[in-house]
Amino acid sequence: ETGVTQTPRHLVMGMTNKKSLKCEQHLGHNAMYWYKQSAKKPLELMFVYSLEERVENNSVPSRFSPECPNSSHLFLHLHTLQPEDSALYLCASSQDRGTGSEKLFFGSGTQLSVL
Amino acid sequence: KNQVEQSPQSLIILEGKNCTLQCNYTVSPFSNLRWYKQDTGRGPVSLTIMTFSENTKSNGRYTATLDADTKQSSLHITASQLSDSASYICVVSGDSYIPTFGRGTSLIVHP
Repeated sequence: ETGVTQTPRHLVMGMTNKKSLKCEQHLGHNAMYWYKQSAKKPLELMFVYSLEERVENNSVPSRFSPECPNSSHLFLHLHTLQPEDSALYLCASSQDRGTGSEKLFFGSGTQLSVL
Repeated sequence: KNQVEQSPQSLIILEGKNCTLQCNYTVSPFSNLRWYKQDTGRGPVSLTIMTFSENTKSNGRYTATLDADTKQSSLHITASQLSDSASYICVVSGDSYIPTFGRGTSLIVHP
């Protein structure tokens, strides 16, 4: 185990639903991330939190809303998604935000399907 | 534009054989390069990190090389095992806060 836990592992939702993805890290890290992984495409950084403060929003549509209540927990709230949002959503953490070259510890991801 | 290109896209080898995966990048300036292994249904796990001054680094049966002049890296797997079946992702960091990811090479090891 990497010390980063994501729930649920799988999620199927309609375009009008509201759901949330949860991530918890047990490593004492200060930075947490949401990444999107689509088939045949590189991982796309969505959001970065450092010490519970959002420091990066990589041009993500407003239908994705992150929340970081403390340094160990990260949520991704989803509403009115589109079928093209179907993907594997990965949470990651690192010791610090630093310069972007830190070692990332990933969770197993949530496989999302939007119908 | 910063880019990371990996080849081949996919590779099938027999158990016990060696293989080499390639990563070419255009990220500049260069900070470091990481190789991650992603098993099916799991998140990526870091295998090794290469900095500008390092040419070769080993992690068990995995050996990474870096040529900063030609902006190329390779990951060599020796005596492959079934558990090596995975996607291998090359990630390059520069002076941006956002690292650049490659699409990955999908490796299948057959018995």
